[in-house]
Amino acid sequence: DAGITQSPRHKVTETGTPVTLRCHQTENHRYMYWYRQDPGHGLRLIHYSYGVKDTDKGEVSDGYSVSRSKTEDFLLTLESATSSQTSVYFCAIKTGTNYEQYFGPGTRLTVT
Amino acid sequence: EDQVTQSPEALRLQEGESSSLNCSYTVSGLRGLFWYRQDPGKGPEFLFTLYSAGEEKEKERLKATLTKKESFLHITAPKPEDSATYLCAVQNSGYALNFGKGTSLLVTP
Repeated sequence: DAGITQSPRHKVTETGTPVTLRCHQTENHRYMYWYRQDPGHGLRLIHYSYGVKDTDKGEVSDGYSVSRSKTEDFLLTLESATSSQTSVYFCAIKTGTNYEQYFGPGTRLTVT
Repeated sequence: EDQVTQSPEALRLQEGESSSLNCSYTVSGLRGLFWYRQDPGKGPEFLFTLYSAGEEKEKERLKATLTKKESFLHITAPKPEDSATYLCAVQNSGYALNFGKGTSLLVTP
């Protein structure tokens, strides 16, 4: 399972509330990613990190922010959740010199 | 702009009935083409990386091949436990994987 955990695994929240999702890895890999997965869209990149305090935007970054203060943790924050952010969120890491990414178990977020 | 198209969207096979899934792609500077398996309620599970046209990789009943425009995931004599969604992704010179929408495979006994 590549040593990736995500928390919480399920969350229901109301429109306008802030939400933070956590991704934790145990192997000190440099690259970490946040994706969202929606029916009909496949997996889309939200933000990624290439080191502590080094992050960049992905394809669907509007409404999301990230932080990485430690190598092992990558946080995704929805400052003011909207119903369009209802989705399944996956964290991934890239190991070594190969390009493949390994995914966590996901967080199912419902914004009512 | 990179594009990844998977077909068919859904496939139903009888146990033992071999078939292939297709992944067509357009990308500038392919650094790798990836296949993943995803079971319901779980994260994608890495299967293969292909780097150049002509390359092939095998794992149990699965074999992935790559040309300059597409990749195939061949499933030989599938079993019900092979039922899952299979995802294809490409990486160019950037950091992200660009995913297709997947093929949902159902293998019936």
